[in-house]
Amino acid sequence: KAGVTQTPRYLIKTRGQQVTLSCSPISGHRSVSWYQQTPGQGLQFLFEYFSETQRNKGNFPGRFSGRQFSNSRSEMNVSTLELGDSALYLCASSTDSNTEAFFGQGTRLTVV
Amino acid sequence: GQSLEQPSEVTAVEGAIVQINCTYQTSGFYGLSWYQQHDGGAPTFLSYNALDGLEETGRFSSFLSRSDSYGYLLLQELQMKDSASYFCAVNQAGTALIFGKGTTLSVSS
Repeated sequence: KAGVTQTPRYLIKTRGQQVTLSCSPISGHRSVSWYQQTPGQGLQFLFEYFSETQRNKGNFPGRFSGRQFSNSRSEMNVSTLELGDSALYLCASSTDSNTEAFFGQGTRLTVV
Repeated sequence: GQSLEQPSEVTAVEGAIVQINCTYQTSGFYGLSWYQQHDGGAPTFLSYNALDGLEETGRFSSFLSRSDSYGYLLLQELQMKDSASYFCAVNQAGTALIFGKGTTLSVSS
């Protein structure tokens, strides 16, 4: 069974640009969550999608958005990038019961 | 809102026992989970407690007290490979996991 796949693994962008990150969950998992990880801040919750609907949203500005497709694949978009957006972005998928999350390897975004 | 508190760093020697505590404040609480993350790696699931008490999985055990909003992860017979970050996370009704800031465990020989 394939794990959670995130693409790309690494990205370098300049301030003001926008970026789209992709996440393919484990087959059969309908819940996809996104987290931002920076040193000392742990995993900060961005948003969760379930069956193509945003179910929950964390405390991030509107520049951060996402969507989920009918095959459960998800994308997140960050517009007008700022230096502080440099982070590891992690995607996790889970079954409906949500007791265990499976993480991808993440996308390392560097904003210069 | 939700909040989780855990120590930022813990150090120990090989063969020792370490306990990482986690206190939480949240609504709609379902259970407490623990994840391990090695440098450069993805977080991986260790344990989940929905009911009060101790759950044991090999060298690792996890405890939950719902009345105290408190849990801990116990690591026994520490090995160098246990050096990693450990995150507690709350499972809530109808939402994704919310994580603490993590505890960095350093195991020395």
